[in-house]
Amino acid sequence: DTAVSQTPKYLVTQMGNDKSIKCEQNLGHDTMYWYKQDSKKFLKIMFSYNNKELIINETVPNRFSPKSPDKAHLNLHINSLELGDSAVYFCASSQDRPSGGEKQYFGPGTRLTVT
Amino acid sequence: AQKVTQAQTEISVVEKEDVTLDCVYETRDTTYYLFWYKQPPSGELVFLIRRNSFDEQNEISGRYSWNFQKSTSSFNFTITASQVVDSAVYFCALRGPYTGANSKLTFGKGITLSVRP
Repeated sequence: DTAVSQTPKYLVTQMGNDKSIKCEQNLGHDTMYWYKQDSKKFLKIMFSYNNKELIINETVPNRFSPKSPDKAHLNLHINSLELGDSAVYFCASSQDRPSGGEKQYFGPGTRLTVT
Repeated sequence: AQKVTQAQTEISVVEKEDVTLDCVYETRDTTYYLFWYKQPPSGELVFLIRRNSFDEQNEISGRYSWNFQKSTSSFNFTITASQVVDSAVYFCALRGPYTGANSKLTFGKGITLSVRP
C-alpha cells in the first residue's frame, strides 16, 4: 500500500487556469506538508497542516490555497496559474511528537507544467 | 534561522570509487535533527537517515556511512564502492526540535552525483 499518494502525477495546463493536486496519507499521521521543487531542484516548504489546522504558510502567493478536509488529506488548489508555477510539488506527512524531529514521508510528486 | 549548505553541486565518479557528499548546517537550536534524502532520476524522495543532535555516533549502513561532527556543524555522507544505481540528487535537510510552525524541513540545494560505469 502506498503510504503517501498524490494525484495527478503529471499536470499540463495553460496560464490562467485553475487546478488542484490531491494528497492522501494512510499512515495515520497528524501533520501534512506541501513542498515545491523548482527547476533547479531546490526544495522549499509551502504549507503545513496539523490535524486540519494551518500551521505553516511560507509567503506563498494567495493564488495557492491548501485545504485539509480531514487529517489524512491535504489538497492544493492553484488559481490563475502562471508560468513560474511550473515545478514539482511534493506532499509529505509526519507524526509529530512533543520532542519534534520526526521523519517526513514524501509522496511521489506532481510535475506541474504551465504553458 | 536554519540553513543547510551543500557546497558541492555536481560530482562525477567512476564506479567503485568512494565519494563523500558534504553538508554543513546552521541552527540556534541545541536540539535538532539532520536528514539525508536521495532523489533518483525517477523523481521520488527516498529517506536515507535521521540523526538527532545528541547522537554523534557515526553510522554505517551497507555501503553508506555518515559522519556527524557537531564541532564543525557537518553531517557528511560517504558512499563506498559507488555503483551506477547511486546516481541521484542527494539532499541534506535540517529540522528543529519543535512541532507546529517549526516542523518544516530546511533543505540544502542538493548534490547531483553521477556514477559512470
